[in-house]
This record gives sequence, C-alpha cells and structure tokens, in this order.
Amino acid sequence: AQSVAQPEDQVNVAEGNPLTVKCTYSVSGNPYLFWYVQYPNRGLQFLLKYITGDNLVKGSYGFEAEFNKSQTSFHLKKPSALVSDSALYFCAVRDKSSGSARQLTFGSGTQLTVLP
Amino acid sequence: DTAVSQTPKYLVTQMGNDKSIKCEQNLGHDTMYWYKQDSKKFLKIMFSYNNKELIINETVPNRFSPKSPDKAHLNLHINSLELGDSAVYFCASSQVFNNQPQHFGDGTRLSIL
Repeated sequence: AQSVAQPEDQVNVAEGNPLTVKCTYSVSGNPYLFWYVQYPNRGLQFLLKYITGDNLVKGSYGFEAEFNKSQTSFHLKKPSALVSDSALYFCAVRDKSSGSARQLTFGSGTQLTVLP
Repeated sequence: DTAVSQTPKYLVTQMGNDKSIKCEQNLGHDTMYWYKQDSKKFLKIMFSYNNKELIINETVPNRFSPKSPDKAHLNLHINSLELGDSAVYFCASSQVFNNQPQHFGDGTRLSIL
C-alpha cells in the first residue's frame, strides 16, 4: 500500500521569504515522488519529480524539493516566494514496484498563500 | 493546441439524469485516467486505461462507466446522477513508464440540482 501526507492545510508566507510545503510518504518499496500545483479553476500542473539519484530535485518556476529517505519526506521549497505562487499544492507518490497499475496516490493538498 | 481537453467545462443537471464527459489528449500518451475532486479538494483516482484496456477500477459505483474508443480518448458516462456526484472531474494522461508525470485537463465541474 502507498500513502502520502501533507500535514498542513494552509501555509502563509510573506513575499520574498523562503517557503516550504511539507510532504511525507509511505510505500512498501522505493518511491516515485511528484509535486503538482493547481491554480483556481484549472487542472493540476506538474512541478517536479524524484525518481532516483540526487536528493535535491529542481523543477519549474524556481521550485525544488529534497528527498529524505530516512525521514520518508519530500518537502517542496522555494528560496523567495512570489505572490503568483499562491495556489494549491499536491504531493503524490507511486511505489516503484506497483507494476502496471501506475496508480498515483495524492496528498490532501496544501493551500499556499503568499502575502504581498 | 491544448494537450488534454475535456468537454463540457461545466455541467448542471438534475438528479436521475444521465450525462457524459468527453476527454481527448494529443500528447501521444497510451494511458488515460479519470479523477474526482471533491469540495474539500481531495483528489481520488476513479479509472485508468492503458491502450484502451481498463487497468485501474477503484471503488466507484457502477453508475459510472468509462469508455475508451481509442488511445487518445477516454469518456466518462454517468447514469442516474445523484447529489453526491457533484464534484470536479479531471481527465489526465501519461506515458507508459512509471516515472512519467501525468498531464491534466482543466476539469469538468458537475453540479447536481
């Protein structure tokens, strides 16, 4: 079984400050990990993924995420937040051993608000 | 040239009616999905098709029936609509490999009166 938790429903940060959106996961094998962003009345947009290799993954719009196997975490970060980053962020996991199912499990989402 | 397109964008109908939502992708992907996002923004997989073959069928009422006429299309038909079916339904697609991201349409907002 696979699951993902986003412990914060809401994160507020001032423009220009660093931001972190937290994600922890649980899989029986090794994970594929993803971050998606959803703007109002839009579908989810892919930001970045961790497959293997470097623990620090860089993605779109200046976002990055750090894979920590010992803490089973994959927190999303950005050094300097923009008001336009305000959106709903989803973490997702897929177990590498899931075979042909290819099923993603999404977290419950974190609403990020960047205050001007 | 939208990658994953859904129609209609909004669907308002009465309880008991039957409705369909259409989805098309022009990315050449071989796997397509339907998700339901509820009012609390929780996202749940409903179905997945790979090369027109059903590979994921989560616990969904059998009033929901997906149909994939070809690799580029995955439609969702819903019979006897109920109030609890009100949600946003998203179509998505991806390539066959497990590490490829899914591409989402902009959703169909279904409201049951």
